[in-house]
Amino acid sequence: KAGVTQTPRYLIKTRGQQVTLSCSPISGHRSVSWYQQTPGQGLQFLFEYFSETQRNKGNFPGRFSGRQFSNSRSEMNVSTLELGDSALYLCASSFGEGGQVLGNGELFFGEGSRLTVL
Amino acid sequence: AQSVAQPEDQVNVAEGNPLTVKCTYSVSGNPYLFWYVQYPNRGLQFLLKYITGDNLVKGSYGFEAEFNKSQTSFHLKKPSALVSDSALYFCAVRDLFGAGNNRKLIWGLGTSLAVNP
Repeated sequence: KAGVTQTPRYLIKTRGQQVTLSCSPISGHRSVSWYQQTPGQGLQFLFEYFSETQRNKGNFPGRFSGRQFSNSRSEMNVSTLELGDSALYLCASSFGEGGQVLGNGELFFGEGSRLTVL
Repeated sequence: AQSVAQPEDQVNVAEGNPLTVKCTYSVSGNPYLFWYVQYPNRGLQFLLKYITGDNLVKGSYGFEAEFNKSQTSFHLKKPSALVSDSALYFCAVRDLFGAGNNRKLIWGLGTSLAVNP
């Protein structure tokens, strides 16, 4: 059974640009959560989707957005990139309704997309 | 407010020695506790969880964790460390019966474990 797949694994952007990251969950999983990981702030929750609906959102500015498709694949977008957006962006899927908030907490993570903003 | 603390940024232990990675928590209701591990350049992997029952929970790769309600702790342990256990370990907590924002999974900042040969 394939795991959670995130693309691209690495990318470099410049300030002001935008970026789209993709996440394909484990087959059968309908919940996808996104996280930003930085050395100083740890794991910060961005948002969570279930059945194409955003169920929960963390404390990030509106430049961060996401969506989920009917096949449960999810994308997140960051517009007008800032230097501070440099981070590892992790996607996690779970079987139940909302792994981050409403589910049983057993999340399956992808290997992440490492974004560097210059 | 709910919170998780991992008081040690880094833990160093010699191979073959027992290891402990500490976690303390604060929730308003009943805690639902987790440990995850992150190997270099990888995503996080679920290790174990505590909901109710026996205070000693066994998980993957020979790890176990002890729930202590009076000390509000959930320390991760392993009797004999391996060099391959070197990784970043995250503790997380949720209020088991909370509602709204109290149902969010709260993450610790992580503890870097280095096992020396």
